[in-house]
Amino acid sequence: ETGVTQSPTHLIKTRGQQVTLRCSSQSGHNTVSWYQQALGQGPQFIFQYYREEENGRGNFPPRFSGLQFPNYSSELNVNALELDDSALYLCASSLRGSVSYEQYFGPGTRLTVT
Amino acid sequence: AQSVTQLGSHVSVSEGALVLLRCNYSSSVPPYLFWYVQYPNQGLQLLLKYTTGATLVKGINGFEAEFKKSETSFHLTKPSAHMSDAAEYFCAVSATYGGATNKLIFGTGTLLAVQP
Repeated sequence: ETGVTQSPTHLIKTRGQQVTLRCSSQSGHNTVSWYQQALGQGPQFIFQYYREEENGRGNFPPRFSGLQFPNYSSELNVNALELDDSALYLCASSLRGSVSYEQYFGPGTRLTVT
Repeated sequence: AQSVTQLGSHVSVSEGALVLLRCNYSSSVPPYLFWYVQYPNQGLQLLLKYTTGATLVKGINGFEAEFKKSETSFHLTKPSAHMSDAAEYFCAVSATYGGATNKLIFGTGTLLAVQP
């Protein structure tokens, strides 16, 4: 069974640029959630994707957008990067309808905006 | 709306001592509660969860937690700390959103240090 993978592991961008982060779900999972974890804080929910559609969004501006593909992998796109976007971005996959409500997290992508 | 409060951003214990990490939640509906552990530069690993049924739940690495509805608490314990337990621990509550989304709401975390 393959776990959740994310790429890249680290990247550095300049303010105003755009970035795309990628996530591959755990085998058998059909739902992907993205979280932002700023330094010293708990993860914050960005949004969730199910059946290739956004299925819930946290308090993040529209410049944060995403995609889910037929194979359940996902992308997180951030436009017009700001310094405060520097954080660890975590992807989590789950199986909608599962009684356990478990989300399985990937190792994260560390984004630094300068 | 759901929320989680973790008391104590830093906890230090001696190796072999009891570990107690505190978590209180707020939820208007029966909550699903989770504890995750995060090692440096890594993602989150599920330690244990409470959904329904038995209020004392056991997880990996010898950790357990007890759901106390009257106290709105879900404290994490381990009888004897090991050096390898040093990490950051997050308590989370699962919130339904738009009918089906099970987004997690996390506390601010507790950094556990284990002294030799």
